[in-house]
Amino acid sequence: GESVGLHLPTLSVQEGDNSIINCAYSNSASDYFIWYKQESGKGPQFIIDIRSNMDKRQGQRVTVLLNKTVKHLSLQIAATQPGDSAVYFCAENTGGFKTIFGAGTRLFVKA
Amino acid sequence: GAGVSQTPSNKVTEKGKYVELRCDPISGHTALYWYRQSLGQGPEFLIYFQGTGAADDSGLPNDRFFAVRPEGSVSTLKIQRTERGDSAVYLCASSLNEARGRVFFGPGTRLTVL
Repeated sequence: GESVGLHLPTLSVQEGDNSIINCAYSNSASDYFIWYKQESGKGPQFIIDIRSNMDKRQGQRVTVLLNKTVKHLSLQIAATQPGDSAVYFCAENTGGFKTIFGAGTRLFVKA
Repeated sequence: GAGVSQTPSNKVTEKGKYVELRCDPISGHTALYWYRQSLGQGPEFLIYFQGTGAADDSGLPNDRFFAVRPEGSVSTLKIQRTERGDSAVYLCASSLNEARGRVFFGPGTRLTVL
């Protein structure tokens, strides 16, 4: 594989702090949203999803918030660890199986 | 168990040549997807298979691109008359039926067209 995201927006956090990654989506008809994590040389990995009838969903150390009014999605990572360093993509889906990915945010975790 | 595998991991070809990229999905996964990822961008949808049939091929950029999945398992993405702009990482993913975003991606094939 190859490194992706050489010129992506970047978020740098201290190990142990909480991280918040934001995403604006484009299609008001989207009814399902997903966050993926992509490490260098690997394919994206599913983290968490949320349907449009929800505002918040929690997983293990991660929380996704959805604000449909302003078409905004965020991913919160609690107690960020070095292993969380990666590129994070939000993605939207309008009801079929075609998922549209955003541009991505690179997260750096400082030890 | 084994994840999605893709071969080759890297492919270098010359402009105008024909290439085939292979994807082995997770056993039992009926849905298979191809995406293309250019440097610094998110994956771009190409095509989705449910079983042997292409249920949505709206992302294929032009008729030089074609994909098959003849037995509902392994899939091959075929690119004719390659162009330099085709250079990217081609990602394959699979999922159980109705899984939507809960898909499992392979490591990708890095295609370089000289």
